[in-house]
Amino acid sequence: DTAVSQTPKYLVTQMGNDKSIKCEQNLGHDTMYWYKQDSKKFLKIMFSYNNKELIINETVPNRFSPKSPDKAHLNLHINSLELGDSAVYFCASSQPDRVHEQYFGPGTRLTVT
Amino acid sequence: SQQGEEDPQALSIQEGENATMNCSYKTSINNLQWYRQNSGRGLVHLILIRSNEREKHSGRLRVTLDTSKKSSSLLITASRAADTASYFCATVVAGKSTFGDGTTLTVKP
Repeated sequence: DTAVSQTPKYLVTQMGNDKSIKCEQNLGHDTMYWYKQDSKKFLKIMFSYNNKELIINETVPNRFSPKSPDKAHLNLHINSLELGDSAVYFCASSQPDRVHEQYFGPGTRLTVT
Repeated sequence: SQQGEEDPQALSIQEGENATMNCSYKTSINNLQWYRQNSGRGLVHLILIRSNEREKHSGRLRVTLDTSKKSSSLLITASRAADTASYFCATVVAGKSTFGDGTTLTVKP
């Protein structure tokens, strides 16, 4: 009965590869987010989708492309991975009028070598 | 610079003691939230305080908000080893959440 789930939990890959992280929520929320948490635990929003439509797109390289096939899923595809992409990526969800109360997934630790 | 900045960055206390963490922010807000992150896990929403509130309690948590100083504090009373985690404040501006840098709390048994 996991509320927000992400796969995989760990991802180790080489520079230049393309990889995807999947996120699913079963809370019935309309809004989903992707965050990046660096090694200093600094958490920064990357994207936000509301009912499959992109509403927030921070200054993230074009190599990052979110895709929302339906409002319960928000996947993150990353092309041409770089060393600096190494971080923990969190998916979260909320209702549109409750952005202040987000539910987070367990995170995906991406290591680029 | 960050919307939310927290201090201290790290705090280590003995079980049973109180832990206080502070957060400062820059813009006007409607509310402020605190989240907890256990090691290797996602963030969990703890408590929200609205801009017209000065203090709020939830169990062993006490949150204060001073909008004139643009600051908030989170007090955890009678701490337990299970409270060991990182704590983040967050604000929402224009539909976007901005998180503070976090305070890492270690409670020694």
